[in-house]
Amino acid sequence: GIQVEQSPPDLILQEGANSTLRCNFSDSVNNLQWFHQNPWGQLINLFYIPSGTKQNGRLSATTVATERYSLLYISSSQTTDSGVYFCAVSLDSNYQLIWGAGTKLIIKP
Amino acid sequence: DTEVTQTPKHLVMGMTNKKSLKCEQHMGHRAMYWYKQKAKKPPELMFVYSYEKLSINESVPSRFSPECPNSSLLNLHLHALQPEDSALYLCASSLTRGALWAFFGQGTRLTVV
Repeated sequence: GIQVEQSPPDLILQEGANSTLRCNFSDSVNNLQWFHQNPWGQLINLFYIPSGTKQNGRLSATTVATERYSLLYISSSQTTDSGVYFCAVSLDSNYQLIWGAGTKLIIKP
Repeated sequence: DTEVTQTPKHLVMGMTNKKSLKCEQHMGHRAMYWYKQKAKKPPELMFVYSYEKLSINESVPSRFSPECPNSSLLNLHLHALQPEDSALYLCASSLTRGALWAFFGQGTRLTVV
């Protein structure tokens, strides 16, 4: 089956720093999403981005489908950005997501 | 209202207890999901309901019993659980089963003692 790998597994940064999180996937996908899970467990969709680039405030994401990777950029990090960032993909329209292991981000004040 | 509300937020239960987790949404979504998440792991899909009918059961043990009484409510009935069932249980909903954008609840942290 398809494999989803995220890197780095852990990232500790000072407030104000920029970061890049990576998601590699082993096969063509028609759905790729980025999620943020805060320390209290709330999981929030950030981007639906099977290809191309999207931006939302300080966050942006780029997926290069032909090379099977996606990047999530966080600029001017804030402590509220802390948590785990998941990349998830699916091959069909049944919304059965295949999840990466996540990147745990800690932003220190 | 773009919320998925889960109750209770925390639950401690013994292995002989019967309890239920509740999930509610009022966004008119017709697909609802239960996920199980162990510490430091991604969520694992347990059940999918589409138009109040169970459409996916990911080989979940029978001690977990889902129920969808109406289009806004999703329950997960628990009985005879094991300590290894301790986890965060997340509910989610989407417009339809094929919709790509889902909203998640804050989860119920379950501890089985």
